[in-house]
Amino acid sequence: QAVLTQPSSLSASPGASASLTCTLRSGINVGTYRIYWYQQKPGSPPQYLLRYKSDSDKQQGSGVPSRFSGSKDASANAGILLISGLQSEDEADYYCMIWHSSAYVFGTGTKVTVL
Amino acid sequence: EVQLVESGGGLVKPGGSLRLSCAASGFTFSSYSMNWVRQAPGKGLEWVSSISSSSSYIYYADSVKGRFTISRDNAKNSLYLQMNSLRAEDTAVYYCAGGPNYFDYWGQGTLVTVSS
Repeated sequence: QAVLTQPSSLSASPGASASLTCTLRSGINVGTYRIYWYQQKPGSPPQYLLRYKSDSDKQQGSGVPSRFSGSKDASANAGILLISGLQSEDEADYYCMIWHSSAYVFGTGTKVTVL
Repeated sequence: EVQLVESGGGLVKPGGSLRLSCAASGFTFSSYSMNWVRQAPGKGLEWVSSISSSSSYIYYADSVKGRFTISRDNAKNSLYLQMNSLRAEDTAVYYCAGGPNYFDYWGQGTLVTVSS
């Protein structure tokens, strides 16, 4: 089982909200981790979006619109990236990441399609 | 303007070696940890290695431990990755990344192809 699991794809309409999940493997408690989120468009390197541990420990990447926000669902042991007011330019792959056992671990990635 | 420019990629035979370089500018390179991340064709991101600002702490993914060596030269604002005993599964675009939140800044990447 992967350390971080993300849905492979998600589709939504322009203007809608999209909630991307990053589920931590059983036995790894989401509450203890800062979760980092990255956006990658085809042919380009990833771009840092934000990090989220709690409402008092979070940071937005430079120039990243506020419609990108982070949260957690403790009951699901998951980190969440919420994209509000989806725009066509948000179509991309999204990756989560944590620092775990002296290694950075990336999630499996979610491809977001804006219909 | 922050810039990270990788170089040194190319085609190499299995068992061969390559040394990647990453030239940094536009930020205080010596203050931050730096990292290498790779992405195989059509695949997701895979962390490779990290080095702290003063080189005191170095970490490797299990997949490259014992074969790759990360280093940096703060006087030259440069990051390096020495890759030995290369395998076909090391074929990927290699990115250098770093910054105050560890992976704020990314280079455009350099392609490493391991094939006979």
